[in-house]
Amino acid sequence: DIQMTQSPTSLAASVGESVTITCLASEDIYGSLVWYQQKPGKSPQLLIYGATILEDGIPSRFSGSGSDTQYSLKINSLQPEDFASYYCQNGLSTPWTFGGGTKLELK
Amino acid sequence: QVQLQQSGAELTKPGSSVKISCKASGYTFTSYDISWIKQRPGQALEWIGAINPGSGGTGYNEKFKGKATLTVDKSSSTAFMQLSSLTPEDTAVYYCARVDYGGYSWFAYWGQGTLVTVSS
Repeated sequence: DIQMTQSPTSLAASVGESVTITCLASEDIYGSLVWYQQKPGKSPQLLIYGATILEDGIPSRFSGSGSDTQYSLKINSLQPEDFASYYCQNGLSTPWTFGGGTKLELK
Repeated sequence: QVQLQQSGAELTKPGSSVKISCKASGYTFTSYDISWIKQRPGQALEWIGAINPGSGGTGYNEKFKGKATLTVDKSSSTAFMQLSSLTPEDTAVYYCARVDYGGYSWFAYWGQGTLVTVSS
């Protein structure tokens, strides 16, 4: 199975700041990296797929980058609604695996 | 619009089984696989398995073989997951999600989740 390791596990930031979350795959996933946002009590919401492709309706302050085994999610100019948990996912092969999550909290 | 509507919360006893449902609408049910994903309280997401509604073919995470059984009813565009021999470790929110493919896979549409609580 492909292991997905996210860092940091938690992160405190202020509105207006920019943050970066990273995801490391245990092997090359050839850009097949997906990012989700999850708010408490809600289902995960797709943000980015194919490492860099922004899902329709997602604000452009969200961006993804990376290749091979190393990927990043950057959020520019944090808005109040961005404070949530974020998960990466291996989309290359089953079992599709998720990172342990990053909880983004308001400083 | 695409919607996945899951059945309501379940309270069950250890050793029992439970079957939860996921009714799809807004797209051709047989054109996309449905996956099931587990999330224990405060924990990360775990992929359980997927089913092709057209063929009924299934694929499971080895960890959940023998625990989860995936089926569909094409006539009602509904996917089902049965969990057997329940233990407290099965207490979790279970999501269904539509699988999108483009050389790789992602989950663009999710159900609202079904909370399964296993307690004596």
